[in-house]
Amino acid sequence: EVHLVESGGGLVQPGGSLRLSCAASGFTFSNYGMRWVRQTPGKGLEWVSAISGSGDSTFYVDSVKGRFTITRDNSKNTLYLQMKSLRGEDTAVYYCAKEAAVVVAATYYYYMDVWGKGTTVTVSS
Amino acid sequence: DIQMTQSPSTLSASVGDRVTITCRASQSISNWLAWYQQKPGKAPKVLIHKASNLESGVPSRFSGSGSATEFTLTISSLQPDDFATYYCQQYNYYPGTFGQGTKVEIK
Repeated sequence: EVHLVESGGGLVQPGGSLRLSCAASGFTFSNYGMRWVRQTPGKGLEWVSAISGSGDSTFYVDSVKGRFTITRDNSKNTLYLQMKSLRGEDTAVYYCAKEAAVVVAATYYYYMDVWGKGTTVTVSS
Repeated sequence: DIQMTQSPSTLSASVGDRVTITCRASQSISNWLAWYQQKPGKAPKVLIHKASNLESGVPSRFSGSGSATEFTLTISSLQPDDFATYYCQQYNYYPGTFGQGTKVEIK
């Protein structure tokens, strides 16, 4: 069975740092792109960052560019999100999610077919 | 950016009711739309991908339809386990955009 388990959330002061981890099991981790998605009561679900299966390609929402870094260790089946210069608006539940790819005419389309239970990040003084 | 708008935001219904949720895209996304169900304190769970394809293990009372800019999620006979919030997500344009959600409440 496919499982994703996030960890690393907590309370941090504005300007602080935090590293989230997501341990994956039940599938060939390196074959799949992965994402971090966050959820706040005010803004709903928001994609934060994504990384290709090899780790060569990374993507970020504009609001976290330069502050967050997504990486993965395929030997450990683990996804990471390093968060720096945290702001109050980064307060959210952070989910890791596995991408499912649909290929049509050599074009890839991705949705998220497996999600972890989430880890809560609170940025407050 | 593609905007996804769901309606209604909240829906009150009874067990056994037929329920329809609408999701509109600000521009055509072909049929690259997924629907997710989320219960309080839980992660989202994908129900449907590519507008109408039911994920494995999802009850057949759920169905999806639509293309281009207008899509619907229908629950043919609402069950107690279906009271939750539902989100659409377009994935025609990477990385995808979510709708704001529709909460299905007990009437």
